Amino acid sequence: NAGVTQTPKFRVLKTGQSMTLLCAQDMNHEYMYWYRQDPGMGLRLIHYSVGEGTTAKGEVPDGYNVSRLKKQNFLLGLESAAPSQTSVYFCASSSRVSSNQPQHFGDGTRLSIL
Amino acid sequence: GQQLNQSPQSMFIQEGEDVSMNCTSSSIFNTWLWYKQDPGEGPVLLIALYKAGELTSNGRLTAQFGITRKDSFLNISASIPSDVGIYFCAGRSTFGNEKLTFGTGTRLTIIP
Repeated sequence: NAGVTQTPKFRVLKTGQSMTLLCAQDMNHEYMYWYRQDPGMGLRLIHYSVGEGTTAKGEVPDGYNVSRLKKQNFLLGLESAAPSQTSVYFCASSSRVSSNQPQHFGDGTRLSIL
Repeated sequence: GQQLNQSPQSMFIQEGEDVSMNCTSSSIFNTWLWYKQDPGEGPVLLIALYKAGELTSNGRLTAQFGITRKDSFLNISASIPSDVGIYFCAGRSTFGNEKLTFGTGTRLTIIP
């Protein structure tokens, strides 16, 4: 009963390094999302995808890229990490079956940029 | 973008007390969701509301979809230690809109 799985759970990077965060869901959901969570700011949408091969920008997309090559996976990339990208990153997914389906979240990736 | 104001930002209560928090929007929402986040974990859905005026319960939790469609309320009765966490409201502006707007959260602490 995995649901939404994020890897890695923790990571420390140096400024300028690149990395990719992986999100996998086993619920056959069409929609997938990447959020960042910062103190006092709630969850802010970075990018999202409404289906395999499609992506769209959210509220705070700058500095990030995403890819959805397979329906069950949604990748978030940081090409050149900056200290401002230190945050907790959450992936979520939801079904398109019903227009008002809630989103289901992973347990997060804690990323520190030094 | 759309803004959700959630209040209070934090609450310190004693075990057994009731809790109330609310969320207001600058625009009309057609769906309201309430999530809880435990330390080190992702948000988990508590209650979903889909109709103005709707009142829905989940155990000791009760949430309401405001008549104006611009607000929602969450109440927790007889709080227990496991209620500690951050509570988020989230809204969807139109049916079929795949994006949610999240509030900034209410951090609940229970004083022993």
